[in-house]
Amino acid sequence: GAGVSQSPRYKVAKRGQDVALRCDPISGHVSLFWYQQALGQGPEFLTYFQNEAQLDKSGLPSDRFFAERPEGSVSTLKIQRTQQEDSAVYLCASSQAGASYEQYFGPGTRLTVT
Amino acid sequence: AQSVTQLDSHVSVSEGTPVLLRCNYSSSYSPSLFWYVQHPNKGLQLLLKYTSAATLVKGINGFEAEFKKSETSFHLTKPSAHMSDAAEYFCVVSDTDTGTASKLTFGTGTRLQVTL
Repeated sequence: GAGVSQSPRYKVAKRGQDVALRCDPISGHVSLFWYQQALGQGPEFLTYFQNEAQLDKSGLPSDRFFAERPEGSVSTLKIQRTQQEDSAVYLCASSQAGASYEQYFGPGTRLTVT
Repeated sequence: AQSVTQLDSHVSVSEGTPVLLRCNYSSSYSPSLFWYVQHPNKGLQLLLKYTSAATLVKGINGFEAEFKKSETSFHLTKPSAHMSDAAEYFCVVSDTDTGTASKLTFGTGTRLQVTL
């Protein structure tokens, strides 16, 4: 079946604009994660959903970042009033429930804020 | 708090020679440990994982890793490097939980270069 897909793959935003990044997880995967990968760094956790419930948002860097998964499938990460430091690759991953299950990653959305 | 330290930011080997990528971890709980690989412009792919079963874990493409609790290490090895192994490798830790998924904590990555 299809893997995790993300759109858009590339996004250029002017500072101050709002952006929305979409993630389509693998069908049937209960858990969904968002990570942020700055240039030359490893991914860092942003937030986690189990079905439609956002169980952990401790990694969101500011209140400009907001994520939702209203029907327990597709998720959207929204960044308001983008800043240059928001430039990064945003990765989405999905998995079955349980810590031992592999997280499958999407290709990411590369956000550049000018 | 959980963390991983990848001891080398860049490793260069000749094709056909052994690969060693080093990783040390820190975790308050019984950890799950992973190695992921990231090829340029491609998504992260799981190489192997340790989840408290056998301490020597075999993964895809001939890679393996050994969990050593006394040394808090989880080094990645491969007997013979191939040109296609050139990529960024991430050591990753996740605190084991009884039923819910758990966030992954990534190291800073090791770039593996393979030369002819």
